[in-house]
Amino acid sequence: GAGVSQSPSNKVTEKGKDVELRCDPISGHTALYWYRQSLGQGLEFLIYFQGNSAPDKSGLPSDRFSAERTGGSVSTLTIQRTQQEDSAVYLCASSSDWDQKVTDTQYFGPGTRLTVL
Amino acid sequence: SQKIEQNSEALNIQEGKTATLTCNYTNYSPAYLQWYRQDPGRGPVFLLLIRENEKEKRKERLKVTFDTTLKQSLFHITASQPADSATYLCAWYNYGQNFVFGPGTRLSVLP
Repeated sequence: GAGVSQSPSNKVTEKGKDVELRCDPISGHTALYWYRQSLGQGLEFLIYFQGNSAPDKSGLPSDRFSAERTGGSVSTLTIQRTQQEDSAVYLCASSSDWDQKVTDTQYFGPGTRLTVL
Repeated sequence: SQKIEQNSEALNIQEGKTATLTCNYTNYSPAYLQWYRQDPGRGPVFLLLIRENEKEKRKERLKVTFDTTLKQSLFHITASQPADSATYLCAWYNYGQNFVFGPGTRLSVLP
């Protein structure tokens, strides 16, 4: 079956512009996660959704970052007024069962590589 | 805040040998640790999970150990193959927290 997909795969933007990154989770997965991975760094947790709600937004690095999820499926991560330090690979993951979150495998998408010039 | 360290940024070993990767955590013990494999340009892929009350888990050529006294997990690949070359990430999780990933160890298995 289809895995997690993300679009675009690459995005180059100018400093100060807004960008939207999209994640299509595995069908039926209720939990969705966004991470950021900078060169040589581990995955940095950004936000997680259970259904359409985001009980934990603590990882968003600033108020320029926001995310939404509609219909319990597709999620969009928006970065406003991009800065050069926002350059990274943004990874999305989904998992099947919130109640089993503590043991559930996360399935990752291929990521979106964002470059801010 | 919780911190995860993986002892080597890169590890080179000869084909057929056992690769051993280390993951150390500070502060709080996890409910479990996960190990992932990541190939260039791709997202991580889950490999193994070990819970706080487990000492060892195995899956084919993979073995994970967990020592809460040392605050350490070891990840072993026996009879390593060039196809095992990738970056390996460990991830810490505890209830009510979120996953905290280590920076990864880039393993190269030389033929």
